[in-house]
Order: sequence, then structure tokens, then C-alpha cells
Amino acid sequence: DGGITQSPKYLFRKEGQNVTLSCEQNLNHDAMYWYRQDPGQGLRLIYYSQIVNDFQKGDIAEGYSVSREKKESFPLTVTSAQKNPTAFYLCASSGTGGNSPLHFGNGTRLTVT
Amino acid sequence: GDSVTQMEGPVTLSEEAFLTINCTYTATGYPSLFWYVQYPGEGLQLLLKATKADDKGSNKGFEATYRKETTSFHLEKGSVQVSDSAVYFCALTFSGYSTLTFGKGTMLLVSP
Repeated sequence: DGGITQSPKYLFRKEGQNVTLSCEQNLNHDAMYWYRQDPGQGLRLIYYSQIVNDFQKGDIAEGYSVSREKKESFPLTVTSAQKNPTAFYLCASSGTGGNSPLHFGNGTRLTVT
Repeated sequence: GDSVTQMEGPVTLSEEAFLTINCTYTATGYPSLFWYVQYPGEGLQLLLKATKADDKGSNKGFEATYRKETTSFHLEKGSVQVSDSAVYFCALTFSGYSTLTFGKGTMLLVSP
């Protein structure tokens, strides 16, 4: 079945360490997105990529970095510069065309202590 | 900037009750409107959408009508089930998912 796979589901890190969250899709979608979800805050866009080797900052990109070397993969690195990294991170993808829906992975819950 | 306001939750209902979750938006122009649902421990799924005024989106017994006069897109269901317990997000965009603006979400809890 086609879909988006995020791993791991839970991730624990010590403060000051960088950590990379994985996102892989086999939907052949061109565009991929990273969102951050905090309780009672809705979703906020971190980064997005509409094509391989190109990506743009979203609303809250500071302290995060991404790469898009392959169409299927869009890993997110949470750096030590991110002041409040503990959150639920969601990856999504979409095809081209106005009627293409946004598909989400099941998320990674990152806890930094 | 654009914004979406949803009623605060949790909304608690008994099975077979009528559901309304209010959503209003602030935007210049006429965006496309969406409802997404997030079940516990999962990502979001598109529930329904409407792309122009007076459109009605519907899916799985849920409905929402795009009302430009009241800038609203309220979600309704005639008879909820326990399996409908989830968080519901209203969202808007003018030009694709890179500009999707979400509300804060409304949790729905349905008891047997």
C-alpha cells in the first residue's frame, strides 16, 4: 500500500544534541512538508519542498534543517539551536494539481530533556 | 494575515447525538476550506473540503457548507459514533498546501 512512513514513532534526546527524523513516501508525490504540532496550537509549517534538491522555509524554520536528495525522502533535523524542540512532528506529501489531497504520516513524538 | 478559529473542546457527546463544530475564518478573498480529522496516535486525514462559496463538502456522514456571508465552515453530523472520537481541524488555503492555515483543533469525545 502507498503511504508515508515516519520513524521512529517516539524519540528521546538530551538537550544540546541534534536529531534527525525520517520521512519516506512511496506515493510518487513531488511535494513534501514538515509540520510541528503542539497541544492546543494546531499545526505549523516548518519546511516544505516542491521538487528534489529544492526546499523553502515555512513559518517556524528557525532551529531546523532539511534535505531533499531523493523524491521519496525528506528528513528533518532538529538542531540544538531549536529552543523548544519537544513536540509532535508530522510529515506530509502531495501530488501536483489542485485536487491532490495532502497525505500525512503517523508522526514522530520527540522529547528532549 | 489569514486565520482560522474553531470552537474550543473537548466536545463531549453521547452516541447518536447531533454534532456541530464551529469554524470561522478571516481572510481577504475566498479561500478553499478543509476539515481534517486526527485519530489518536495518528496523522491527519482529509475529511472533506469545499473550494467555493455555497459548496457543501461531505464524507462519512459529515457535512460542511462554505458560507461566505458568515465566513464559516461548520462541521455537522447527524448521529455520531464512538469511533468518531478524534481531533478535528479546520483549515484554509488560497494557493496550495504550502500556505495551508490550520485552526487549533477541536477534540470530540463520544461515549456509548
